[in-house]
Order: sequence, then structure tokens, then C-alpha cells
Amino acid sequence: AQTVTQSQPEMSVQEAETVTLSCTYDTSENNYYLFWYKQPPSRQMILVIRQEAYKQQNATENRFSVNFQKAAKSFSLKISDSQLGDTAMYFCAFMKRPFITTSGTYKYIFGTGTRLKVLA
Amino acid sequence: KAGVTQTPRYLIKTRGQQVTLSCSPISGHRSVSWYQQTPGQGLQFLFEYFSETQRNKGNFPGRFSGRQFSNSRSEMNVSTLELGDSALYLCASSERLAGQETQYFGPGTRLLVL
Repeated sequence: AQTVTQSQPEMSVQEAETVTLSCTYDTSENNYYLFWYKQPPSRQMILVIRQEAYKQQNATENRFSVNFQKAAKSFSLKISDSQLGDTAMYFCAFMKRPFITTSGTYKYIFGTGTRLKVLA
Repeated sequence: KAGVTQTPRYLIKTRGQQVTLSCSPISGHRSVSWYQQTPGQGLQFLFEYFSETQRNKGNFPGRFSGRQFSNSRSEMNVSTLELGDSALYLCASSERLAGQETQYFGPGTRLLVL
């Protein structure tokens, strides 16, 4: 069974600094996707970034980038030039392919989250 | 496009009652997934519906059920509520483009069972 581990329950960073959130996962699958989602205090979950496992190039979205190490099963999120609006809970998620799974098997698996606080 | 909407946003029920939550996906999205979020367990996958059929199911008891309508709107029902069902219930819709799939979440329904 797949698992996703976020070992940092809470982190803080000074505004304008860079922070890295870690995520490791365990799977025997070869085709899968990895995601980082952000859940601000208002509770709306927002997609931050997505990485396809077959792509070696690390995904980047503006100030957000990932360090995807497939062999190590590691998928960290780097936030550059941190802003107060980045304060949120960050979830790492794994999605296997094919999209249809057998009953009882999770399609999407989320980590327990890292609470990030950006300090002024 | 309008985002995923969920109603109601807040709900208070008592043990033994049943509850129905509603989710309207982003226009054009045919897949709707439901999650239960609690501080202790994090996000746990309940089930997914695609074109009115349940396509995936997590490990929740039969008290949790759902359905999807022809317009892709989905409802989730919980019968015989227990205190432990208190949680934030998130709905997510997804589209599949070029073999890729991404979920977009609604604001959630916060259920409190007394």
C-alpha cells in the first residue's frame, strides 16, 4: 500500500526567506503523480504544484518549485521569497495510475500536512 | 469558471441522525471525490463518482454513501451519525486532460455531531 509521510508538523519562516517542506512516499508503482496542496486558514484547499513521475524535470510554479527524487521517493516543496499569504497547511499527495483502483484501495493518498507560518 | 461549491457550509446534528451533503463540481468536470478531514486522521478518501457511477471507494463503513446525478452534482449521505463523524468534509472535482488528472477542492462542509 502506498503511504505519504510529512515529517515536519510545523515550520516557520521569515518573510522573504526561502523554506523547504519535505515529503517522502512509499510505492511500488512506476506511474503516478505527486501534488502539493495548500490549505489556508479559510480552509479552501488549493493546488500549488503537480509533478508527473515520468518527468525528470522538476516542476516549477512561480515562487514554488519541487525537488523530485524518484529513486529516493522524495518530493520536497521549496517556497522562495515567502509571503505572509503563504501561511497555511501544506499537504503532499500521491495519486497512482491507472485512475481506477479496486475497492478499498485509495486513489489519492495525502500526508498529514505541515503547518507553515510566515513571520513578518 | 466557477469553482467547486459545497452546501451547507456548516451543520450541527445529533447522534443517530442522518445528514446529506451536496457538492457541485466545476463545469465540465465529471469526477467528484469526497474526503473526510479531521485533526487526528488528516485527509481520508471516502469515494469517487464518475459519470454517475462509484469508481473508487475508501475504507469507510456502509453508513457513508454517495451518489452522482447526470449533471455531475454529487451528494454524500451519512446515516446513524456518531460523535466521531464530526469533521470537515471536502469535495473535489477533477478533469482529465491529455491523460493527466488534477483535483480541485471545494470549501468543505463542517459537520458537528453532538
